Amino acid sequence: DIQMTQSPSTLSASVGDRVTITCRASQSIGSWLAWYQQKPGKAPSLLIYKGSILQSGVPSRFSGSGAGTEFTLTISSLQPEDFATYYCQQYKSHLYSFGQGTKLEIK
Amino acid sequence: EVQLVQSGAEVKKPGESLKISCKGSGYSFDSYWIGWVRQMPGKGLEWMGIIYPGDADTRYSPSCQGQVIISADRSTNTAYLQWSGLKAADTAIYYCARHLDSSGPYDAFDIWGQGTMVTVSS
Repeated sequence: DIQMTQSPSTLSASVGDRVTITCRASQSIGSWLAWYQQKPGKAPSLLIYKGSILQSGVPSRFSGSGAGTEFTLTISSLQPEDFATYYCQQYKSHLYSFGQGTKLEIK
Repeated sequence: EVQLVQSGAEVKKPGESLKISCKGSGYSFDSYWIGWVRQMPGKGLEWMGIIYPGDADTRYSPSCQGQVIISADRSTNTAYLQWSGLKAADTAIYYCARHLDSSGPYDAFDIWGQGTMVTVSS
């Protein structure tokens, strides 16, 4: 199985900050990585797929990069609505797996 | 509008059986894989399995294999997740989610159901 490890687990930041979340895969997954945002009491929503492609309707302050085993999600200028939990997910094969999540908190 | 609508919250006793549903609309239900994702209270997302309604091809995570059954009814555009003997450890929110694209077997999930809370308690 492919294990996904996110860091940090918790991130405190302020509105306007640039933040980066990292996701590492236990083996190469090419670019088969997605990022999701989940707000309390809500279903996750897709932000980025295939490592760096912005899902339709997602603000351009979100970006993804990386390939192989190391990936990053960057938010260029945090907005109040961005405080949430973020998950990466690999889909290289049908044994999908998620990272443990990164909770983005207001400093 | 493309959407997945899940069945309502359930409260069950250990050992009972349960089948929850996920109804798709606004797209060709047969052509997109649908997955199930578990979120235990206060925890992260865990992929359980996935089904292609067009031919009922189903894949399970190793931890869920033999513990649940994933199925789909093409006539009603509905996917299902079922248990034959619930445990307290099955208490969680269960989400169904649709693949972003119909062209390949592996993909991200772009459409999510609202979630079904399952509580198992004696």
